[in-house]
Amino acid sequence: DADVTQTPRNRITKTGKRIMLECSQTKGHDRMYWYRQDPGLGLQLIYYSFDVKDINKGEISDGYSVSRQAQAKFSLSLESAIPNQTALYFCATSDSREGNQPQHFGDGTRLSIL
Amino acid sequence: GENVEQHPSTLSVQEGDSAVIKCTYSDSASNYFPWYKQELGKGPQLIIDIRSNVGEKKDQRIAVTLNKTAKHFSLHITETQPEDSAVYFCAASIRGRALTFGSGTRLQVQP
Repeated sequence: DADVTQTPRNRITKTGKRIMLECSQTKGHDRMYWYRQDPGLGLQLIYYSFDVKDINKGEISDGYSVSRQAQAKFSLSLESAIPNQTALYFCATSDSREGNQPQHFGDGTRLSIL
Repeated sequence: GENVEQHPSTLSVQEGDSAVIKCTYSDSASNYFPWYKQELGKGPQLIIDIRSNVGEKKDQRIAVTLNKTAKHFSLHITETQPEDSAVYFCAASIRGRALTFGSGTRLQVQP
């Protein structure tokens, strides 16, 4: 979905480095999410934000932090990357005026940690 | 919390045949059930969804059925085509909350 843009699309880095993944949206949605995808495990929720001042942990938040800089921007940080954080990361948005559904996804960031 | 199980993990069908993917959920309070299609290098795209006040919904070759009593829902694709080949995810949520996803089904349609 071109309305949800993730940068970078691919990133290779080393253990211990700080990484930031960025997500921006032009859909005007108030809610944003970060998911992690591993082979055979579907998508797991890392963090979500219902508005600029609201941040909530998902099921696998350890080792991650987020920042909601504006309604349209939601970034995910790995403070000290480790190899088992190698995965595909997706940002998604939704509109509370539509009952929070459906969610619209970006095309993902493929992150490799060596 | 919610737990969603999805079967099968892989499915291979001949072009023109039907494909069925099944999911079960654990939280009886869940009331929204979307299905997403993910193509290589892309994010998941919503293909159909159903809410708990409806038992079945169709959109051309795609249909979803929901059995609230048994807590399971299924995706049915008829007259499959090679472009239907992708990974399909089911999900469940309680209205207003984040989605819980199944583990995905890789569908391959053989020409």
